[in-house]
Amino acid sequence: QVQLQESGPGLVKPPETLSLTCTVSGGSVNSASYYWSWIRQPPGKGLEWIGYIYYSGSTNYNPSLKSRVSMSLDTSKNQFSLKLTSVTPADTAVYFCAREHLFYSESSQDVFDIWGQGTKVTVSS
Amino acid sequence: DIQMTQSPSSLSASAGDSVTITCRASQSIGRYLHWFQQKPGKAPKLLIYATSTLQSGVPSRFSGSGSGTDFTLSISSLQPEDFASYFCQQSFSIPRTFGQGTKVEIK
Repeated sequence: QVQLQESGPGLVKPPETLSLTCTVSGGSVNSASYYWSWIRQPPGKGLEWIGYIYYSGSTNYNPSLKSRVSMSLDTSKNQFSLKLTSVTPADTAVYFCAREHLFYSESSQDVFDIWGQGTKVTVSS
Repeated sequence: DIQMTQSPSSLSASAGDSVTITCRASQSIGRYLHWFQQKPGKAPKLLIYATSTLQSGVPSRFSGSGSGTDFTLSISSLQPEDFASYFCQQSFSIPRTFGQGTKVEIK
């Protein structure tokens, strides 16, 4: 059974860089079947898609965050990572890593089928 | 970006009631619409994908319908474990976008 686990600092000072890692167990990040994604949820608010990285290393980011976001993949450790630069208190959120399964089941649609438990990141001086 | 608007933002109901949550897309998304359930402090859980297909293990009291811009999630005979927040999400285009959520509370 595939599981995802986020890790990283719970407190980041503005305007530093937020860095998180997602470790995948029970499956491989080196697969053409998935986008490895980051999604965040500010306190009491809805979900915001940050972006994804594909096994090839190609990425796609939310335009609202694109200038500050980068993602990378480490196939040797079966991990993928997020960096968000120049953070402000508005970046305070629970950050989830998630697997977007391409052409899920018979639907031929891309579906977030597995999520990590989430990690809370507070941006404060 | 495609905006996803859910209504209501919250509702109160009793166990055994039936409820319906609506999700509207700012442009047509075909049937590229999924529903998630989230409980406090937990990750979202996939309930329904491609508008109407139940994820494995999800009880049949959950159902989804719609196409184009208007979609619904229905829960018949609410159970205590159904009191949670529900989000819709479109996968028609990038960036992926979510509804703001509907909190189903116990009356």
